This record gives sequence, C-alpha cells and structure tokens, in this order.
Amino acid sequence: NAGVTQTPKFQVLKTGQSMTLQCAQDMNHEYMSWYRQDPGMGLRLIHYSVGAGITDQGEVPNGYNVSRSTTEDFPLRLLSAAPSQTSVYFCASSSGQRAQETQYFGPGTRLLVL
Amino acid sequence: GQSLEQPSEVTAVEGAIVQINCTYQTSGFYGLSWYQQHDGGAPTFLSYNALDGLEETGRFSSFLSRSDSYGYLLLQELQMKDSASYFCAVHTGRRALTFGSGTRLQVQP
Repeated sequence: NAGVTQTPKFQVLKTGQSMTLQCAQDMNHEYMSWYRQDPGMGLRLIHYSVGAGITDQGEVPNGYNVSRSTTEDFPLRLLSAAPSQTSVYFCASSSGQRAQETQYFGPGTRLLVL
Repeated sequence: GQSLEQPSEVTAVEGAIVQINCTYQTSGFYGLSWYQQHDGGAPTFLSYNALDGLEETGRFSSFLSRSDSYGYLLLQELQMKDSASYFCAVHTGRRALTFGSGTRLQVQP
C-alpha cells in the first residue's frame, strides 16, 4: 500500500491564483482531513470528511474548499491564493471506526504564495 | 475551544530519559495522542491514552491524568534519531485532532 499520497510536493503561486492540492489514500479509510502547519507551530485543521459526499469545516476553513466524491480522494482547493496561505499542508486519513483512531499523514505539500 | 500547552524546546543527552509535558483545556475529551515529526517530514503516531495511567510502547511511554488535564510523553534510552518535534493532540470526538505547538527535542552526544 502507498498509504497517503499528496501532490505536488512543492508549489509557488502568485497572489490571486487558484490551485488544487491533491490527496489520495489506498487504505479504504472513511475519514480524511487537511491540516496546515506554519513554522514552529502545530497543525491546524482546515476541513475534514467522514465519508464520501460528506465534508465539514475545521478550525481554519476560510479561503479553502474541499469535496469528497470518492473514498480515496480528498482534494483541497485554494480559490484565490493569499500570502497568508503560505504553509505546509498535510492530508491525513484514518479508518474512522472510533474517535481515537490513529491518523496517517501524507508527506505534505509546501506552498509559497508570493 | 481547545488549547494545549507544551514546552517549546527540550535538550537531553544520548542514553538519558526525557519527559515532555502537555496540559490541555478542551470542551469534550476522548483522549490524548502523541505524534513525532522529524524536520521536513510528516507527523507519525506514537501513542494514545484514553484512560488515566501509563501506556508503554518500547522506549516510549505516555501518561494521562484526566482529572488534572495533563499528560506526558516519556522517552527512555535516548538516541540521536529521537531528535525531532513531539506534538500532543487531543481527541474531542469530531474524529479530528487539535494539536499543541510542539516540543523540539534535541539529543546531544
């Protein structure tokens, strides 16, 4: 199993541009989430999904959209990038059977917005 | 809301024991997890406590006191490869995690 994969690994955007960060998992996990990590800080939840067709907002959802059309994929869309969105973005998944299930993280996407 | 506090940095020598503390304030609490993150890497799961007491996994142990809203991660027989950031994270029932700001552990020879 590849686990959780994310593309691209690095991206540079100009202010106002849009892009989609891809996330896929091959573990048949119900639960997927997106976090952002700023330098020297912990991870903050952006959006999450408890199954295909179901998404909800996390702690810092503004400026981001998500959709979950399949169990495997959970893309994160930046509609109009801003310098404040410069960060490292991690996607995570878990089986979702219990609230305390271990979350498996992808390798991250490093985003720079100029 | 939720808040977690943990020390920003800890330094220890190879072979020693180090304890990283975490205090939390949450609305709703299911358990406390610990994650390790090496520079440039992704967080990886270390341990989880739902009930009071000590959980041991090899060189790592984690403790929880729900009444004190407090937990710690204990790392024994420190190795250079243990140099990393360690995050505590609370489970609040939404199947999402709220992370602390992390403790950077530096292991010296």
